[in-house]
Amino acid sequence: GQSLEQPSEVTAVEGAIVQINCTYQTSGFYGLSWYQQHDGGAPTFLSYNALDGLEETGRFSSFLSRSDSYGYLLLQELQMKDSASYFCALCNSGTYKYIFGTGTRLKVLA
Amino acid sequence: DVKVTQSSRYLVKRTGEKVFLECVQDMDHENMFWYRQDPGLGLRLIYFSYDVKMKEKGDIPEGYSVSREKKERFSLILESASTNQTSMYLCASSFRGTGIRQPQHFGDGTRLSIL
Repeated sequence: GQSLEQPSEVTAVEGAIVQINCTYQTSGFYGLSWYQQHDGGAPTFLSYNALDGLEETGRFSSFLSRSDSYGYLLLQELQMKDSASYFCALCNSGTYKYIFGTGTRLKVLA
Repeated sequence: DVKVTQSSRYLVKRTGEKVFLECVQDMDHENMFWYRQDPGLGLRLIYFSYDVKMKEKGDIPEGYSVSREKKERFSLILESASTNQTSMYLCASSFRGTGIRQPQHFGDGTRLSIL
């Protein structure tokens, strides 16, 4: 089957760097996306990796390794407002279905 | 800014009722999606549509149907509501294309309770 696994919760302090991992099992996909969701809010798009390697967008970076079936989201210079849930997602190239990971709740401490 | 609007933020219905959840987007997106979100399970795809009058089953379509009569509107229908359909329902839309960066834009969600 297809699945994307993430740690359920990560805690870090303001100003720190945190990495949220995403491991997946799927036969083929177009790329790996990351979304952020604050409590009570809608998921919002953060980043997309079509190819292996690192994509940087300000304080956020995302990485993909297809050979390792693995990706991660890296958040630098953590701020309190980064406290949210983060989801990885991919689109299966055979079925065109989008699959989301189980989500990681990030808590940023002062 | 892209706007995806879901008709209700909170909804309470009774078992056996037919329930309609409406979603409208204003960016001429071809793709529209319905997900449900439950704690610890992430977002699960119920149905999606890549064009008007077109629909495809997602991973959990049982007990649901959809309608896309106009490009901007995608409706989710619970044919006979049951308590296990109590959940947060999220609608999303995106431009066509899967091989390139095509973010999904989400509505604020409908928290549906079936009593």
